[in-house]
Amino acid sequence: DGGITQSPKYLFRKEGQNVTLSCEQNLNHDAMYWYRQDPGQGLRLIYYSQIVNDFQKGDIAEGYSVSREKKESFPLTVTSAQKNPTAFYLCASSHGLAGGRTGELFFGEGSRLTVL
Amino acid sequence: QQQVKQSPQSLIVQKGGISIINCAYENTAFDYFPWYQQFPGKGPALLIAIRPDVSEKKEGRFTISFNKSAKQFSLHIMDSQPGDSATYFCAARSGGTYKYIFGTGTRLKVLA
Repeated sequence: DGGITQSPKYLFRKEGQNVTLSCEQNLNHDAMYWYRQDPGQGLRLIYYSQIVNDFQKGDIAEGYSVSREKKESFPLTVTSAQKNPTAFYLCASSHGLAGGRTGELFFGEGSRLTVL
Repeated sequence: QQQVKQSPQSLIVQKGGISIINCAYENTAFDYFPWYQQFPGKGPALLIAIRPDVSEKKEGRFTISFNKSAKQFSLHIMDSQPGDSATYFCAARSGGTYKYIFGTGTRLKVLA
């Protein structure tokens, strides 16, 4: 079945450690995204990538890093520089906007990161 | 100007009733307005979406009403069911970009 797979679903981290969240999609989508979700704050964009080997900062990129070496994969690293990393992280993908497409987002199941 | 303001924060409706969630925006460059439904511990799923050249869109029990002049849009859930209990997010996307701005969400509870 086509979809977006995020792993791990739950992750615990000690302060000062970097962690990497995995996101893989088999929808043949060009664009991929990482959002952070906190209670009462909606979804905030961390990074997004329109094509392979290219990505742009979103609204809250500080303390995070990404790579886009393959079309199917868009891993997110939460670095020790992120001051408040405990959150629910959502990966999404979409078609490009060419040809009048809407570019609607398809989300994974999320990864919950807790810093101990 | 980039915000999308969503209300109410929470909503309780009796089974069979109508649930109404409202969103307002300022940026006239937004050209696509989706609504997402999210169940606890899951990722959001697209429910219904509208473009600003249409005033209303209906899919089953779900309807989006769009008022371009007031810069407001709303989600109406007719004949609300307990299975509709979830968090709903409105969103808006700037034309020609990949950036979506999300509302803060509305937690809906439908009583049986």
